[in-house]
Amino acid sequence: EVQVLESGGGLVQPGGSLRLSCAASGFTFSSYAMSWVRQAPGKGLEWVSGIRGSGVSTYYADSVKGRFTISRDNSKNTLYLQMNSLRAEDTAVYYCAKDLDEWGYEGYFDYWGQGTLVTVAS
Amino acid sequence: DIQMTQSPSSLSASVGDRVTFTCRASQTISTYLNWYQQKPGKAPKLLIYSASSLRSGVPSRFSGSGSGTDFTLTISSLQPEDFATYYCQQSYTNPLTFGGGTKVEIK
Repeated sequence: EVQVLESGGGLVQPGGSLRLSCAASGFTFSSYAMSWVRQAPGKGLEWVSGIRGSGVSTYYADSVKGRFTISRDNSKNTLYLQMNSLRAEDTAVYYCAKDLDEWGYEGYFDYWGQGTLVTVAS
Repeated sequence: DIQMTQSPSSLSASVGDRVTFTCRASQTISTYLNWYQQKPGKAPKLLIYSASSLRSGVPSRFSGSGSGTDFTLTISSLQPEDFATYYCQQSYTNPLTFGGGTKVEIK
């Protein structure tokens, strides 16, 4: 059974840092691109960042470019999102999401975690 | 960035109704269009990918169509479990972008 489970959310002050993790199981992790998608309270979905299965190529939304870094450890079946210089507008539930197709970077997601809440406030 | 616009933002419908939502891209995206369903407090679920491909396990009452800039999601006979918010998303190019959503409420 495919599972993705996020962790690492919490309350952080503006300007602070946080690292999210996403533990994956039930599929060949290194074969699939992964992404982070967030949802601010009461708002819609916003794609944040994506990474190919190999980890060589990474992609970012303009709103987080230069502040967030996506990475993965295929030996640990884990995806990460390092978030620096956090702002109030980064407050959201952050979801880890798996690409549907193996080997590519298709950008549509068949499995999502339950989400982890990041709150940026003083 | 490609802007995705969904309409309507909300609608009221009854069980058994045929319901259609629309999604428009700000530039052509071929058929790189996906649809998700989200219920309150839950993660989104993929329904349709590549404009018209039904994800395995999704009921056949869901269907998608369109290409270029205009797309539709149709539910042929609305069921109680279909009351949710539906999002379109383009996967033509980065940054990937979502529409604002259409909330389906019980009439």
